Amino acid sequence: DTGVSQDPRHKITKRGQNVTFRCDPISEHNRLYWYRQTLGQGPEFLTYFQNEAQLEKSRLLSDRFSAERPKGSFSTLEIQRTEQGDSAMYLCASIPTSGVDNEQFFGPGTRLTVL
Amino acid sequence: DAKTTQPPSMDCAEGRAANLPCNHSTISGNEYVYWYRQIHSQGPQYIIHGLKNNETNEMASLIITEDRKSSTLILPHATLRDTAVYYCIVRTYLYGSNYKLTFGKGTLLTVNP
Repeated sequence: DTGVSQDPRHKITKRGQNVTFRCDPISEHNRLYWYRQTLGQGPEFLTYFQNEAQLEKSRLLSDRFSAERPKGSFSTLEIQRTEQGDSAMYLCASIPTSGVDNEQFFGPGTRLTVL
Repeated sequence: DAKTTQPPSMDCAEGRAANLPCNHSTISGNEYVYWYRQIHSQGPQYIIHGLKNNETNEMASLIITEDRKSSTLILPHATLRDTAVYYCIVRTYLYGSNYKLTFGKGTLLTVNP
């Protein structure tokens, strides 16, 4: 257990529905990342927050995806009008406030299945 | 983004050293090499990282070639619990001190009894 938690761990939804995932990073970590991992592939970067500011977004993050970190603590990732291609593991990671030479702590992930 | 190349799979006998190679020929001078592993259906777990010098911690050793174009992760005494996908990653800067990890497909290491 790295101290990063994600909820839910599993989500099954029907195509066209909206889903929202939550990530709670380690409390003193101000930097937070979202990644997506499809079957047989490594995780792919989606977006990055420093405190409440979303500073970087991947081209993978289509208009149907939105991420927030309203108070600089937990973060949410919402997918609107889900498609079968959205089926994946969604991973959250956080790193400490300072320092350039440190590791990302990953949560256990939320596995999304779109039927 | 700097790319890494790893063999898709490797086998190792329990108790022996596992040596996992990685090529990162396009790495820039200030980019770190990170190693993570992922056991089935779990989040990636940090193992070790380095810039130029060889590194060792309680889990593994990282050997980086002098030209920094390749590296090797060494698990000195592999156990069955080390069976996992191992990712060699070049840390890519976003801006300033902020960065992202760019994963490849990794190497599936299977430790056999």
